[in-house]
Amino acid sequence: DTGVSQDPRHKITKRGQNVTFRCDPISEHNRLYWYRQTLGQGPEFLTYFQNEAQLEKSRLLSDRFSAERPKGSFSTLEIQRTEQGDSAMYLCASSPGASSGHRGSVYEQYFGPGTRLTVT
Amino acid sequence: GNSVTQMEGPVTLSEEAFLTINCTYTATGYPSLFWYVQYPGEGLQLLLKATKADDKGSNKGFEATYRKETTSFHLEKGSVQVSDSAVYFCALSPWGAQKLVFGQGTRLTINP
Repeated sequence: DTGVSQDPRHKITKRGQNVTFRCDPISEHNRLYWYRQTLGQGPEFLTYFQNEAQLEKSRLLSDRFSAERPKGSFSTLEIQRTEQGDSAMYLCASSPGASSGHRGSVYEQYFGPGTRLTVT
Repeated sequence: GNSVTQMEGPVTLSEEAFLTINCTYTATGYPSLFWYVQYPGEGLQLLLKATKADDKGSNKGFEATYRKETTSFHLEKGSVQVSDSAVYFCALSPWGAQKLVFGQGTRLTINP
């Protein structure tokens, strides 16, 4: 039984380039979340999916950011025209839905190891 | 709005000392409350939770009680160990919402 995985673990890119991160949630978890964490701060919510539907987006998620979860399994987060201010750790989490009956509390989010983005 | 304020760190203690990390929150309705821990080089892990007023969450010797009257969820441990050295995050999940709102984190170092 594997946890949440994220790929890549580290990404260095030049300003203006596009980057894409992948998150694979715990199997059969139907809820998936993206957060961003900058140095010395707590994670900040970006967006949330239930199955393939994106149900909530933070104001932090500018037009340059897009997230997808096309088949309700893995998710991708793309940042277009990266800026130095995008440098951060991008965290993915998953949780079971209220009706799933799967392991773990409906309230607990299980986090992946994160993708550290550095924009030079 | 929803927010979490944590005791500023870093906190340094000797082994077997008593630990308190303060956490207060602002929220509409009835949030669920959490403590997450991030050990060096590892991802965030849920330490404990409480979903309604007066609930006490506990795990690995840590405890926190959901106090609605003081809007607090302070983390305590009676005797800390070197292995407890980590960053601790208090968080809330607003009523009816799925997201977590985190505090800024408190770095704890335990010296032998």
